[in-house]
Amino acid sequence: KQEVTQIPAALSVPEGENLVLNCSFTDSAIYNLQWFRQDPGKGLTSLLLIQSSQREQTSGRLNASLDKSSGRSTLYIAASQPGDSATYLCAVTDMEYGNKLVFGAGTILRVKS
Amino acid sequence: NAGVTQTPKFQVLKTGQSMTLQCAQDMNHEYMSWYRQDPGMGLRLIHYSVGAGITDQGEVPNGYNVSRSTTEDFPLRLLSAAPSQTSVYFCASSYRQWDYEQYFGPGTRLTVT
Repeated sequence: KQEVTQIPAALSVPEGENLVLNCSFTDSAIYNLQWFRQDPGKGLTSLLLIQSSQREQTSGRLNASLDKSSGRSTLYIAASQPGDSATYLCAVTDMEYGNKLVFGAGTILRVKS
Repeated sequence: NAGVTQTPKFQVLKTGQSMTLQCAQDMNHEYMSWYRQDPGMGLRLIHYSVGAGITDQGEVPNGYNVSRSTTEDFPLRLLSAAPSQTSVYFCASSYRQWDYEQYFGPGTRLTVT
């Protein structure tokens, strides 16, 4: 059964710092990996999608990498801002149940001004 | 595009009542799904659909029914609400199965007393 783990569970950093969020998964048989952002009481916003054949994706200050063979992904946030404060969720598309996303528990990020 | 929309935003039910959570998307996506999010349990797949007229069960389908009569709509029915169904419900869609980015609605917060 696929399991996704995110480290750290929570992170508090001063504004302007570069930071790395980690995600690991137990079964390398995935279609892709997706990073989401969730603000309190809100839905999930897709940040980046990395296909299983890709190594990384970039969007603005965000860069996500994928090492499928070792079951790891990292989300790099450059020059963090208070508006980046949210919960970041990592999810892999499992080959069971059609297109099921298996989520990690998330990293709660707080960027202090 | 409005993206994925869900109604209602909040709902309180008494045990035994039934109701339908609405989900619609205007992106012509074939794949739609329902998740529930619970503290400590993360997001879990309830039901999914790969196209109009086709639905299947996810990992926690008991107590819920779905149908997909059009590409745009994918309602979730609670047959006889139980306190264990108190949760936040998210609808998601993607262009097709497997390799495509998934987009989530804003969620419905349901309380069953």
